Amino acid sequence: GAGVSQSPSNKVTEKGKDVELRCDPISGHTALYWYRQRLGQGLEFLIYFQGNSAPDKSGLPSDRFSAERTGESVSTLTIQRTQQEDSAVYLCASSSREVRTYEQYFGPGTRLTVT
Amino acid sequence: DAKTTQPTSMDCAEGRAANLPCNHSTISGNEYVYWYRQIHSQGPQYIIHGLKNNETNEMASLIITEDRKSSTLILPHATLRDTAVYYCIVKDFNKFYFGSGTKLNVKP
Repeated sequence: GAGVSQSPSNKVTEKGKDVELRCDPISGHTALYWYRQRLGQGLEFLIYFQGNSAPDKSGLPSDRFSAERTGESVSTLTIQRTQQEDSAVYLCASSSREVRTYEQYFGPGTRLTVT
Repeated sequence: DAKTTQPTSMDCAEGRAANLPCNHSTISGNEYVYWYRQIHSQGPQYIIHGLKNNETNEMASLIITEDRKSSTLILPHATLRDTAVYYCIVKDFNKFYFGSGTKLNVKP
């Protein structure tokens, strides 16, 4: 079956512009995560969605970052007034609570470059 | 804050066992230890997880100490394709703290 997909794969934007990154999770997966990975570093947790519960936004680095998810489907991560330090790969993952391992399936990521 | 500590990098000869250590001294009783790996330019991939008992699957074995303060991931016969960054993770409620991981270099 289809895995997690993300779009665009690459995005180059000018400082100060807004960007939207999209994640399509695996069908039926109730949980969805966003992470940020700067060059040569590990993953930073950003936000977590679980079904219709209120999202865990505790990892968002500033109020320029926001994310939405419609039900248990597509999620959009929005970064307003982008800064050069926002340059990173943004990874999305989904998982199913019905799988005891809570294994996360990752998408290929969106590489964001802010010039 | 990462709840695990790992060496920055390790080397392993092809065909030999790779033993990757991880310290998680603040782990609580109901927290699982997860291992993921990330091959260059790809998203992380699940390897294995455990709570108290040692675990084995087709990819690796996980040895957890009796006090659960550390664990070791074992790749029994490393291949060049196992070159990757390996993350040891303790899940804190909804969050998986990936840290910086261990870069495993498998050499011919």
